[in-house]
Amino acid sequence: AQSVTQLGSHVSVSEGALVLLRCNYSSSVPPYLFWYVQYPNQGLQLLLKYTSAATLVKGINGFEAEFKKSETSFHLTKPSAHMSDAAEYFCAVKKTSYDKVIFGPGTSLSVIP
Amino acid sequence: DAMVIQNPRYQVTQFGKPVTLSCSQTLNHNVMYWYQQKSSQAPKLLFHYYDKDFNNEADTPDNFQSRRPNTSFCFLDIRSPGLGDAAMYLCATSRDRVGEERETQYFGPGTRLLVL
Repeated sequence: AQSVTQLGSHVSVSEGALVLLRCNYSSSVPPYLFWYVQYPNQGLQLLLKYTSAATLVKGINGFEAEFKKSETSFHLTKPSAHMSDAAEYFCAVKKTSYDKVIFGPGTSLSVIP
Repeated sequence: DAMVIQNPRYQVTQFGKPVTLSCSQTLNHNVMYWYQQKSSQAPKLLFHYYDKDFNNEADTPDNFQSRRPNTSFCFLDIRSPGLGDAAMYLCATSRDRVGEERETQYFGPGTRLLVL
């Protein structure tokens, strides 16, 4: 069965610092991978997705993620954190295009002024 | 703008009193999903409609039902809400065409349900 782990339920960074949110997946084949962001009392918004094209995926709001098959990882990064980046971030996976999406437990990002 | 709309954004109901949450979309997507998200947890899929075909998750309680009268609208009915059903309910849509990759899900803003 597919599963997703996100190391760190809470991450705090200073404004302007590097953001690194970790995601590891379990899969026997390269899956479809996603990062979603959720602001308080809002729905989920897609940041980026990996679908077996380029391993470095660029998303919205300056975020990017790198697919590393050898490490079964899909970590999310942003070079410089903004206050507006404070939110909950979910990594998600599905084995094939038609499978349901499996969400990780989420990481809450705080940005300190 | 094309979007997924959920009404109301906040819903208060009483223990055991049926409640209906609504979702509409202007994306003309053929797949619609309902998720339950409890505080500080990941969204949990309750069921989805592929066109008119209803697909229930195995662990979704019978207390939860859904209706999709047309492509644009989908309803979540909770027949007898319990205190444990207090959560954010998220509607999502995606487009799925035979022979093509099922596209990304687009989420509505959610309805937060409070059970008194």
